[in-house]
Amino acid sequence: EDKVVQSPLSLVVHEGDTVTLNCSYEVTNFRSLLWYKQEKKAPTFLFMLTSSGIEKKSGRLSSILDKKELFSILNITATQTGDSAVYLCAPRDNYGQNFVFGPGTRLSVLP
Amino acid sequence: EAGVAQSPRYKIIEKRQSVAFWCNPISGHATLYWYQQILGQGPKLLIQFQNNGVVDDSQLPKDRFSAERLKGVDSTLKIQPAKLEDSAVYLCASSLASRTGIGTEAFFGQGTRLTVV
Repeated sequence: EDKVVQSPLSLVVHEGDTVTLNCSYEVTNFRSLLWYKQEKKAPTFLFMLTSSGIEKKSGRLSSILDKKELFSILNITATQTGDSAVYLCAPRDNYGQNFVFGPGTRLSVLP
Repeated sequence: EAGVAQSPRYKIIEKRQSVAFWCNPISGHATLYWYQQILGQGPKLLIQFQNNGVVDDSQLPKDRFSAERLKGVDSTLKIQPAKLEDSAVYLCASSLASRTGIGTEAFFGQGTRLTVV
């Protein structure tokens, strides 16, 4: 059975702090891993990772995948209150079809 | 580009009643997903369509849930009869069909918050 573990489940920081969110997975026929940000109801896409060791960056967010150790991390530097959200990790299996979502990390950034 | 449209946004029903949710995916997206997200948990796949065919419905409680995607565009998810534990947000998502096996990102609608009392 596919399994996704995210840690920590909850995190409270102050503006300006740097955070690292972790995602470990066990999925059959792994193809890629996606990160989403969920503020209210609709998750919004952040990154898709397919290759080990290649960092993807978007502004203050970056992410990297380790396919050998089966994990990914999402870094957010200089956090802002607008970064407060649930961050979801979703590896894909079954030849790039199905997403398996983790429980999410709830990040709260205090002013 | 219009996003994934869902309706209604909120629904409150009594247990044992029936309810239906509607989803219109992004134009040209062959793959459509329905997810159930219970408070405090990640989304759980209920059913996945490729055009109008079902790819995966292994986690769909088929005794009470049904879904269809006529003509490979809009989709409807129905619950009949509803139970208290069906209270959740129901998310619809769509993506382009994967040609490489790696896949593409899925785009989500705003979801329907269902409360069963």
